[in-house]
Amino acid sequence: DQQVKQNSPSLSVQEGRISILNCDYTNSMFDYFLWYKKYPAEGPTFLISISSIKDKNEDGRFTVFLNKSAKHLSLHIVPSQPGDSAVYFCAASEYVSRGDSSYKLIFGSGTRLLVRP
Amino acid sequence: DGGITQSPKYLFRKEGQNVTLSCEQNLNHDAMYWYRQDPGQGLRLIYYSQIVNDFQKGDIAEGYSVSREKKESFPLTVTSAQKNPTAFYLCASTSKGSGSPLHFGNGTRLTVT
Repeated sequence: DQQVKQNSPSLSVQEGRISILNCDYTNSMFDYFLWYKKYPAEGPTFLISISSIKDKNEDGRFTVFLNKSAKHLSLHIVPSQPGDSAVYFCAASEYVSRGDSSYKLIFGSGTRLLVRP
Repeated sequence: DGGITQSPKYLFRKEGQNVTLSCEQNLNHDAMYWYRQDPGQGLRLIYYSQIVNDFQKGDIAEGYSVSREKKESFPLTVTSAQKNPTAFYLCASTSKGSGSPLHFGNGTRLTVT
């Protein structure tokens, strides 16, 4: 049973416009949420994260919004650039041992973003 | 430069053979992870290790084995018991603390025929 879901496998937007990528989760005990960007045949790179006690975090063109009551988060990219074209993964952090702050990340299935010039 | 090195980039094996994927990090991270990516799917956790000489099974550990004899190294062995071993394998590491992001290597593409 998927605990982190990205229901849109792909998204296409025009350069300069806003890209909104969505993510839903089921476990209310998740501590942090993270977004990663991935190019083919490469490892994911970290973009931005948000603590479960916040509702917004912004870093340059990237903003993540968290709606805990709806168990939903979204990544906004403004303005979108052709170099943003990649697969974006949403991930949730789950403690495996609070005693030593050990945790694991649970990933969604990804959304492929295409930014058209 | 600090980072995570996975080798080789591409690996080919015959069915029935065990194969070991290398993962080395010089970030002084305590925790290391192995994920698997299949087309159209997210990253699924195979094994993880929070400290030397200790590791835990992830969601899809069957057919895999790991060791953590050194802090810097976390090799993954894909055994002949793994029914669908062809995949893209990603190693990651992090310092402890839930907000610390995982740093990933560039992956190993394993093809078993």
